[in-house]
Amino acid sequence: EAGVAQSPRYKIIEKRQSVAFWCNPISGHATLYWYQQILGQGPKLLIQFQNNGVVDDSQLPKDRFSAERLKGVDSTLKIQPAKLEDSAVYLCASSRGQSSNTEAFFGQGTRLTVV
Amino acid sequence: GQQLNQSPQSMFIQEGEDVSMNCTSSSIFNTWLWYKQEPGEGPVLLIALYKAGELTSNGRLTAQFGITRKDSFLNISASIPSDVGIYFCAGQLNSGYALNFGKGTSLLVTP
Repeated sequence: EAGVAQSPRYKIIEKRQSVAFWCNPISGHATLYWYQQILGQGPKLLIQFQNNGVVDDSQLPKDRFSAERLKGVDSTLKIQPAKLEDSAVYLCASSRGQSSNTEAFFGQGTRLTVV
Repeated sequence: GQQLNQSPQSMFIQEGEDVSMNCTSSSIFNTWLWYKQEPGEGPVLLIALYKAGELTSNGRLTAQFGITRKDSFLNISASIPSDVGIYFCAGQLNSGYALNFGKGTSLLVTP
């Protein structure tokens, strides 16, 4: 079974530029998460989708961050405009959904550096 | 989301030693998970716990779901150099809900 795929692996941009990340979850997984991991910290949830609907986006900085999962499979996360403090690893994870005993599996992440 | 308290922050041990780390929360979680993250990689699931008091093993790793549902423990027996990495605990209210992570325990193992 293929894991969670993310691209790109690395991205360097200047502040005020825009950037987009892509995630392809494990086949059949209804729940998709985007997490932000700042160096030295644990991952922090940005947004959670159940199929193509948003379940939780309470911690997403909506003035600059947006995410979509139009067909309930792939997802994109966008930052526009980027700030220096957005430098972090952006992790995508997926799970089967809100049934019993489902674990979340992570992709390798996209490391973003804003200069 | 709630940040969990994970300790110790880092450990530096010799190969063959046993390791213990724990995670506490002020809130109840119904699922506890332990992940390992190596440099440049995403977190990899090690053990998932679903019942208070549950003790689960995965090779040399053993994890327990605290009876109060506010804590969890991870033990690694007979550590080896490839155990090096950052270990994260994560609490989940229920399956399919967001994971709340600790800050991680960094483990270094010397041969």
